[in-house]
Amino acid sequence: EAGVAQSPRYKIIEKRQSVAFWCNPISGHATLYWYQQILGQGPKLLIQFQNNGVVDDSQLPKDRFSAERLKGVDSTLKIQPAKLEDSAVYLCASSPLAGITDTQYFGPGTRLTVL
Amino acid sequence: ILNVEQSPQSLHVQEGDSTNFTCSFPSSNFYALHWYRWETAKSPEALFVMTLNGDEKKKGRISATLNTKEGYSYLYIKGSQPEDSATYLCAFSGSARQLTFGSGTQLTVLP
Repeated sequence: EAGVAQSPRYKIIEKRQSVAFWCNPISGHATLYWYQQILGQGPKLLIQFQNNGVVDDSQLPKDRFSAERLKGVDSTLKIQPAKLEDSAVYLCASSPLAGITDTQYFGPGTRLTVL
Repeated sequence: ILNVEQSPQSLHVQEGDSTNFTCSFPSSNFYALHWYRWETAKSPEALFVMTLNGDEKKKGRISATLNTKEGYSYLYIKGSQPEDSATYLCAFSGSARQLTFGSGTQLTVLP
């Protein structure tokens, strides 16, 4: 079974530029998550999709971050414009459903550096 | 704001040593506690999901216990190997049904 795919793996941009990350979840997984992991902290949930609908985006900085999940499969996360404090690893995860005991399967992440 | 704390932040052990670390979480509105292992440049990998007070889980040389009444979980590694070097993350799931992660324990096993 193929895992969660993410691209790019690394990205370096200057502040005020835009950037987009892509995620392809495990086939058949209805739920998709984007997390932000700042160095020294645990991953923080940014947004959760159930199929192509948003379940929770309460921690997404909506003035600069946006995300979509087209056709309930792939997802993109965009930052526009980027700030220095956006430097982090962006992790995508998927699970079959959204049950509290459902394991979330993570991709390798995209490491973003904002200069 | 939920507070999930892990200790220690980092530790170094010699190959063959056994080690353990702690995850502390809110004891109210508990639903589940997840443990993940995250090796450098790889994807975080699920180790255990624990739901019941007194739960014990085991996977090879790694085991975990859960105390929901006092709000802590221990992760044990017996006979550490260099390939066990990773960051170990715990994540609490409460009534909000989303995972709140601790900041992790970074383990380095020296050959």
